[in-house]
Amino acid sequence: DVKVTQSSRYLVKRTGEKVFLECVQDMDHENMFWYRQDPGLGLRLIYFSYDVKMKEKGDIPEGYSVSREKKERFSLILESASTNQTSMYLCASRIQGGTEAFFGQGTRLTVV
Amino acid sequence: AQSVTQLDSHVSVSEGTPVLLRCNYSSSYSPSLFWYVQHPNKGLQLLLKYTSAATLVKGINGFEAEFKKSETSFHLTKPSAHMSDAAEYFCVVSDRGGGYQKVTFGTGTKLQVIP
Repeated sequence: DVKVTQSSRYLVKRTGEKVFLECVQDMDHENMFWYRQDPGLGLRLIYFSYDVKMKEKGDIPEGYSVSREKKERFSLILESASTNQTSMYLCASRIQGGTEAFFGQGTRLTVV
Repeated sequence: AQSVTQLDSHVSVSEGTPVLLRCNYSSSYSPSLFWYVQHPNKGLQLLLKYTSAATLVKGINGFEAEFKKSETSFHLTKPSAHMSDAAEYFCVVSDRGGGYQKVTFGTGTKLQVIP
């Protein structure tokens, strides 16, 4: 089974802090994604990566950056956390050319 | 352009009665369509997918969906609801518009199952 692991289930950070959300997948998938999930808005794509060291902006990249130094790991970075970034963050991976994405359990981030 | 509309934010059914969760999509290319389920405090799990083969797709836990191109719909159904079906359901469209596999999620439908 594909396993996508997010390093934290729950995080509480202060406004202005730099925050790292980590995601690791164990199936050698080329594609990885970061989404945020908010009530009534579904999942919105923040950034995605086709392969190592490659990244593309999604629909809502403002206030975020990403890092993909190794194939199995995709990090989401909040350079200066703000309260409007309080959300559930979901990581996903997918084989290159595939259609199905596999999701992690999510990280619920609260910025106070 | 690619979009997906889930017509109901909340659906409530009695246990043992049919479930219908509605989804309409828009895509300029031949799309793939998915339904994912998310139980409380859990990640997303794939229920079923349509990728240009049979238009009636059967998934896990007795769910199925029918791809209707003429109606641009991909509604999710189940003949008899169980309490364990209470969850949030997401319809997803994916196509190769713009040269890469773009994916768009619907806003979700929360299914309540009444004993």
